[in-house]
Amino acid sequence: GAVVSQHPSWVICKSGTSVKIECRSLDFQATTMFWYRQFPKQSLMLMATSNEGSKATYEQGVEKDKFLINHASLTLSTLTVTSAHPEDSSFYICSATVRETQYFGPGTRLLVL
Amino acid sequence: EDQVTQSPEALRLQEGESSSLNCSYTVSGLRGLFWYRQDPGKGPEFLFTLYSAGEEKEKERLKATLTKKESFLHITAPKPEDSATYLCAASRHVNNDMRFGAGTRLTVKP
Repeated sequence: GAVVSQHPSWVICKSGTSVKIECRSLDFQATTMFWYRQFPKQSLMLMATSNEGSKATYEQGVEKDKFLINHASLTLSTLTVTSAHPEDSSFYICSATVRETQYFGPGTRLLVL
Repeated sequence: EDQVTQSPEALRLQEGESSSLNCSYTVSGLRGLFWYRQDPGKGPEFLFTLYSAGEEKEKERLKATLTKKESFLHITAPKPEDSATYLCAASRHVNNDMRFGAGTRLTVKP
């Protein structure tokens, strides 16, 4: 199957700072990537669809100015959590599609103090 | 409104005790029904994709089936290493994004 990586795997930051999470497709090109967040013992909630070379599409209720997405190349999408607050603490997971199947990265655990 | 509902929420089995997990969906314009396995603190691992009612797919002790309203993940003679959360998701023709169910947490005791 296709391999998707994320970096960092976990990060702790102070409230008010910004955090950038990278999502890479390692052995294929991805024109579309997806960003999800997952709270403990809950399922994945789609945040946004990242499109290479164009603006991301955000789900209803997701603040696009707070969660900045950049998909500058066919193998890299980044999610920046701006002015992070404790309520942004969560598990963030990206995915990329190969022949209609989404393959997921290992996730990034964010803790905002 | 599109919905994906999984049951049971949690399932505890003895090693070797076969069972089934259910995923019911109401998604307009279904493109595909997906099953993933997720271990704690990790991203989901792809298991199966089903596209049409009547389709079945197997992998080791797992078999996924699909009807027009629901999908089942059958686990035959499970082992402790099958313990994980199993997620199903439905993708739509329009955007190809996926809606996930809440998952079934499976625990297999030796």
